[in-house]
Amino acid sequence: EVLLVQSGAEVKKPGESLKISCQGSGYTFTNYWIAWVRQVPGKGLEWMGIIYPGDSDARYSPSVQGQVTISVDKSTSTASLQWSSLKASDTAIYYCARRIADGFFDYWGQGALVTVSS
Amino acid sequence: SYELTQPPSVSVSPGQTARITCAGDALPKQYVHWYQQKPGQAPVLVIYKDRERPSGIPERFSGSSARTTATLTISGVQAEDEADYYCQSVDTSGTYLNWIFGGGTKLTVL
Repeated sequence: EVLLVQSGAEVKKPGESLKISCQGSGYTFTNYWIAWVRQVPGKGLEWMGIIYPGDSDARYSPSVQGQVTISVDKSTSTASLQWSSLKASDTAIYYCARRIADGFFDYWGQGALVTVSS
Repeated sequence: SYELTQPPSVSVSPGQTARITCAGDALPKQYVHWYQQKPGQAPVLVIYKDRERPSGIPERFSGSSARTTATLTISGVQAEDEADYYCQSVDTSGTYLNWIFGGGTKLTVL
């Protein structure tokens, strides 16, 4: 069974750093791109970026380029999304999702709520 | 930039047919995929490659695409189908691929 299990909810202050994770299991982790999708509470889905675990090739949406870093640890089948300096506007639910070659996402993590507030 | 446009809301009575549209200029050249999201849950893929249904998704869910509009059809709507629905495609106009989502449609079962 394919599973993507994300780390838990986080509460942070503006300016703090954060790294959230997404561990894949039930498939060959290095063979499928992993994407990160943001959802501000009550709003729609927004693609942030994507990484290929096989070679750590990462791509970013123009709207988040330079604001976040996506990385992967093949040894633990884990993808990560990190911020060096959080803003209140980063408050959202963050999902990881597995990308299939035809451009869709077939499995999703359970989501991680990140709250940034002073 | 490339956008996908969905109606904010659609309402139907149980047993009726719901149709949710997704409009985008590049749709004739790109597949559209659809996700269902219930409150407090992660999105679930319900239609991929315009009209294909993943295993485990009821047959009442179907998809189609013509010119610049894709449509998700739910026949014989049930109360459990009440959810937000998002279309998704890929923008190939830039240097790298850019995955885009429509704004979402809230399906209300009356």
